[in-house]
Amino acid sequence: EDQVTQSPEALRLQEGESSSLNCSYTVSGLRGLFWYRQDPGKGPEFLFTLYSAGEEKEKERLKATLTKKESFLHITAPKPEDSATYLCAVQAWDSGYSTLTFGKGTMLLVSP
Amino acid sequence: GAVVSQHPSWVICKSGTSVKIECRSLDFQATTMFWYRQFPKQSLMLMATSNEGSKATYEQGVEKDKFLINHASLTLSTLTVTSAHPEDSSFYICSRKGGLGEQFFGPGTRLTVL
Repeated sequence: EDQVTQSPEALRLQEGESSSLNCSYTVSGLRGLFWYRQDPGKGPEFLFTLYSAGEEKEKERLKATLTKKESFLHITAPKPEDSATYLCAVQAWDSGYSTLTFGKGTMLLVSP
Repeated sequence: GAVVSQHPSWVICKSGTSVKIECRSLDFQATTMFWYRQFPKQSLMLMATSNEGSKATYEQGVEKDKFLINHASLTLSTLTVTSAHPEDSSFYICSRKGGLGEQFFGPGTRLTVL
């Protein structure tokens, strides 16, 4: 069974204080690992897809990296508008309908 | 802009009534769409995969007679919660597949059953 564990559950940062969120996963053949941002009361917003170990993707203050067992979402010099819950999801090659398995997310709060 | 819409964004109903939630793919004909449920501070849990022109595929533990899914066109999937009870109160989110395995999600529907 595919499993995704995200840590920490919650993270509070000061504006400009860089940090990283962790996503550990077990999957029978990783097809893709996905990062999403979810604001309260909204649906998840797609951020990145990573396919193989060593791959990196960047978007503004966010950078996602992937190893064979985990992924990190690095947040550089965060701003209050980066406050949200960040979700990680995996997709296995044997998921017949390309389904995603999600972690519980990391709730990030950035204070001014 | 948004590629998936949902209607309504929130709904309150009495116990025992049925509620229909619509999910539309705005920019792409989607043969497959997905329905998720999310409880507070919990992960998104896949309920079912909606297939255009055929029966939906339900995840283990999801009652197909309670959560009726219809995917009658390439842009519209509907989820009907039949005989809703307070324990069905949740945030329901639909999605469609992207071209590279990712999914694009709708804004969600907050269901409250009194």
